[in-house]
Amino acid sequence: DGGITQSPKYLFRKEGQNVTLSCEQNLNHDAMYWYRQDPGQGLRLIYYSQIVNDFQKGDIAEGYSVSREKKESFPLTVTSAQKNPTAFYLCASSIPGQGGITEQYFGPGTRLTVT
Amino acid sequence: AQSVTQLGSHVSVSEGALVLLRCNYSSSVPPYLFWYVQYPNQGLQLLLKYTTGATLVKGINGFEAEFKKSETSFHLTKPSAHMSDAAEYFCAVSATGGGNKLTFGTGTQLKVEL
Repeated sequence: DGGITQSPKYLFRKEGQNVTLSCEQNLNHDAMYWYRQDPGQGLRLIYYSQIVNDFQKGDIAEGYSVSREKKESFPLTVTSAQKNPTAFYLCASSIPGQGGITEQYFGPGTRLTVT
Repeated sequence: AQSVTQLGSHVSVSEGALVLLRCNYSSSVPPYLFWYVQYPNQGLQLLLKYTTGATLVKGINGFEAEFKKSETSFHLTKPSAHMSDAAEYFCAVSATGGGNKLTFGTGTQLKVEL
């Protein structure tokens, strides 16, 4: 089955520690995205990558970092500089498409709790 | 720049009643519009999308939405609610030149009562 996997489902960390969230897709999609979801705020874009070895900041990139060394993988690191890291993190992917716009497919999410 | 407004963070309907979830968008270029559904502690699932062409779009699970350019709206409807429709629904917009980035509304939590 093709899809997006995110691991782990739940993650707990102490304040001041960096933590890396995994996102893997076997859909052969070129583009990948990371969103943060907080209650009542919808989804906000953290970083996105349209091709291997290239990525751009989204609306709330401060305190986060990413890499895109392989087409299938787009890990997100939440650094100690992120002031409020506790949230639900969603990874997505898409084929850019002829017109450059297509739907995004989402993984199951990782709930990060930092205390 | 583009934005999405979802009126009503919580909507409650009786089972069998009409579901209407409102979405208004702002975009300086012709928009592409999406509705997603999210069940608790899960990812988002695409319900339907509007790109070009027919303005009435049918999606999964009996949902449909109509693109009204004059009203900058893309409201989601279902004629008869089912208990399994209880979830959070997100409207999203994208536009050409934006790198396929989606801008999401803040979501509407749908409750279905017996």
